[in-house]
Amino acid sequence: QKEVEQDPGPLSVPEGAIVSLNCTYSNSAFQYFMWYRQYSRKGPELLMYTYSSGNKEDGRFTAQVDKSSKYISLFIRDSQPSDSATYLCAVLQGAQKLVFGQGTRLTINP
Amino acid sequence: GAVVSQHPSWVICKSGTSVKIECRSLDFQATTMFWYRQFPKQSLMLMATSNEGSKATYEQGVEKDKFLINHASLTLSTLTVTSAHPEDSSFYICSARDLRTGNYGYTFGSGTRLTVV
Repeated sequence: QKEVEQDPGPLSVPEGAIVSLNCTYSNSAFQYFMWYRQYSRKGPELLMYTYSSGNKEDGRFTAQVDKSSKYISLFIRDSQPSDSATYLCAVLQGAQKLVFGQGTRLTINP
Repeated sequence: GAVVSQHPSWVICKSGTSVKIECRSLDFQATTMFWYRQFPKQSLMLMATSNEGSKATYEQGVEKDKFLINHASLTLSTLTVTSAHPEDSSFYICSARDLRTGNYGYTFGSGTRLTVV
């Protein structure tokens, strides 16, 4: 079983739609959770991060962690074509190792 | 915010030659840097953790004699792919950890696309 599982998509939605991206993880000891956005042929950039369970909101983006079900979510409201990218969830394993999900390729259609 | 510069952004080399990729933290000191490999439509796989002034720690299955890592200063780590072969063609990305921003302070370079012909 992979430590972090993510549906690779692709996911295509119309502009303005609410997007829901999800990951599951295997180790209940994980405490730090992150979402990265990666444009084609670029390195990932940190989008959101959360510690333990709960929600965190930043503008149109909301990150959610449910530790009871080992489920990580990222919601994008009022999606824009510029949101088209690959979204990767990640967990911090141990003191410094990031473990990534496979990434979900998202396309927002005008 | 923290900036990591990676160079070159793309390189084509002949089979059997070596290629060096540089990763620099521009506005912070990084005692630890990370090297990842990413195949098309796949996730980032950690290859090794680079520690300033000491040997790198390689992930299981990564050949340390093939992927040489040097972290000689607090702002520079290099990855050398030795005797490159077509199967080494991939997207290599470095990351540096800015301890000022705690457990989320991982900044990534823009990646290097290596093509071995």
